[in-house]
Amino acid sequence: QKEVEQDPGPLSVPEGAIVSLNCTYSNSAFQYFMWYRQYSRKGPELLMYTYSSGNKEDGRFTAQVDKSSKYISLFIRDSQPSDSATYLCALPQGGSEKLVFGKGMKLTVNP
Amino acid sequence: EAQVTQNPRYLITVTGKKLTVTCSQNMNHEYMSWYRQDPGLGLRQIYYSMNVEVTDKGDVPEGYKVSRKEKRNFPLILESPSPNQTSLYFCASMKPGGHQPQHFGDGTRLSIL
Repeated sequence: QKEVEQDPGPLSVPEGAIVSLNCTYSNSAFQYFMWYRQYSRKGPELLMYTYSSGNKEDGRFTAQVDKSSKYISLFIRDSQPSDSATYLCALPQGGSEKLVFGKGMKLTVNP
Repeated sequence: EAQVTQNPRYLITVTGKKLTVTCSQNMNHEYMSWYRQDPGLGLRQIYYSMNVEVTDKGDVPEGYKVSRKEKRNFPLILESPSPNQTSLYFCASMKPGGHQPQHFGDGTRLSIL
């Protein structure tokens, strides 16, 4: 079993839809949970991170962590065409600088 | 502007011809790393450096070399490139600490014929 699993999609939704992106992980030692966004022809950039179980909101984005199920989610409300990108979950291994990435989900929001 | 700069952005070359991809950051970050990104495989770490003169292998180091003589620069060297090293490469830097964000360059697309 891989350390971090992410459905690679792709996912195509109409503008205004609620989007749910998910990852599962196998190692209960992971403490931080990050989401990176990667636009076409660009490097990934940190979108959100959370430390504990529960929800963290930032505008239209909500990051959710369920440590008991080893499941993390990113919700996008009122999705916009500008949200079209690849979203990668990333977990620092053992609290270190090494990131374990999911394979990334390519999202397209159609106007 | 805080940034990680990679050069070249695109390169087509032939098997066996040594090449270097440069990476420079202006944020005074101690940690730097190289990744390759391939369809279906995601981002995989090649090498990383915790500080000047301190480098270590990542998950896929075969066929690559790095050096860290200055804090701001972390070049990736392919001594004898092969077609299986055709990929999209990213350099990243960050402050120490697992919860810090990694700052990525815009990538270098390498094609080895």
